[in-house]
Amino acid sequence: AQSVTQLGSHVSVSEGALVLLRCNYSSSVPPYLFWYVQYPNQGLQLLLKYTSAATLVKGINGFEAEFKKSETSFHLTKPSAHMSDAAEYFCAVKTSYDKVIFGPGTSLSVIP
Amino acid sequence: DAGVIQSPRHEVTEMGQEVTLRCKPISGHNSLFWYRQTMMRGLELLIYFNNNVPIDDSGMPEDRFSAKMPNASFSTLKIQPSEPRDSAVYFCASSLNQVTDTQYFGPGTRLTVL
Repeated sequence: AQSVTQLGSHVSVSEGALVLLRCNYSSSVPPYLFWYVQYPNQGLQLLLKYTSAATLVKGINGFEAEFKKSETSFHLTKPSAHMSDAAEYFCAVKTSYDKVIFGPGTSLSVIP
Repeated sequence: DAGVIQSPRHEVTEMGQEVTLRCKPISGHNSLFWYRQTMMRGLELLIYFNNNVPIDDSGMPEDRFSAKMPNASFSTLKIQPSEPRDSAVYFCASSLNQVTDTQYFGPGTRLTVL
């Protein structure tokens, strides 16, 4: 069965520091992978998605993610954290049953 | 575009009462999704529709939950009777067509069942 794991339910970084949020997936089919962000009291919004084109995917707000098939990973990065990046981040994968499942989420805190 | 619209934004009810949550998807979107978010279980897909037809309702927790999409611009999620364990934030999302298309989420309905 397909699944998504996100290492670290909570990550804290200093403002200006590198952001790295980890995502590993299992999928029996070529994956479609997504990162969504949820700000407090809001719905989720798409940051970026991988659909078997370039392995390095650039998204909104300076985020990017790299698809690594050998590691079954799709980690999210941003070179320099901003206070406004504080939010919950969800990795998601499309399953062979034609639906998207979400990981448990990682809460990102940015320390001034 | 106004985005996905959900109502009400907050609902407080007593155990045993019927609850109806409403969603208006983005115009032109053919897929609609209902999710439930709790601290314990995270984000769970309850049901999704494509062209107003339920495609996958395997996430609907039990018979107390039902969802309808009578037309392309409106969907409801009903809980009858409600129980305290149904307390959660319920999100509606829509996408253009495929499940791989970007999903646009509404602001959610925070349901509290006392």
